[in-house]
Amino acid sequence: ELKVEQNPLFLSMQEGKNYTIYCNYSTTSDRLYWYRQDPGKSLESLFVLLSNGAVKQEGRLMASLDTKARLSTLHITAAVHDLSATYFCAGTNAGGTSYGKLTFGQGTILTVHP
Amino acid sequence: DTEVTQTPKHLVMGMTNKKSLKCEQHMGHRAMYWYKQKAKKPPELMFVYSYEKLSINESVPSRFSPECPNSSLLNLHLHALQPEDSALYLCASSQDRFGDTQYFGPGTRLTVL
Repeated sequence: ELKVEQNPLFLSMQEGKNYTIYCNYSTTSDRLYWYRQDPGKSLESLFVLLSNGAVKQEGRLMASLDTKARLSTLHITAAVHDLSATYFCAGTNAGGTSYGKLTFGQGTILTVHP
Repeated sequence: DTEVTQTPKHLVMGMTNKKSLKCEQHMGHRAMYWYKQKAKKPPELMFVYSYEKLSINESVPSRFSPECPNSSLLNLHLHALQPEDSALYLCASSQDRFGDTQYFGPGTRLTVL
């Protein structure tokens, strides 16, 4: 069964700084997702990464996937307060009765300070 | 349109009540999901429906009873819940079950007294 681990779990950043959130997963995953959740709100899909070496960028966020290392990263460039949220990575089980099931990491609570 | 709607937004119920949560999508998606999310935790999968048939039940207690009346609607019937069932209940849908991006609804905040 797929297991997904994120670090750090808490991240306090200053505006304008760069940082990276790491997402490790235990077994083969067909694809890797990044979601954002604001407090009390639902999950918003940010990126889906389908293959080794995939890189996607949207604004100040860039996600990448290394399937050999079973690692995805979410890089934040020049953070702004609006990026404060909880970020989840999630992988899909690649086989068995749970094929296609989305397994989430613990989430990273990001706070951006002035 | 990537919208999944859920009603009600908030629900307070006693342990002897029966209530239902409703989820609707009009994106033509054939897979629909129920998740439970406790504060500061990731969503936990409860049920998956694929082409209107229940395909995954994550050993959820029988006091939660899902129903998929048609390809656009998903219900979660609640009966004899416990206070520890208080959580945010999220519905999601995807093109099909096998790995497509899941789009989440706004959730129902459930409080069991």
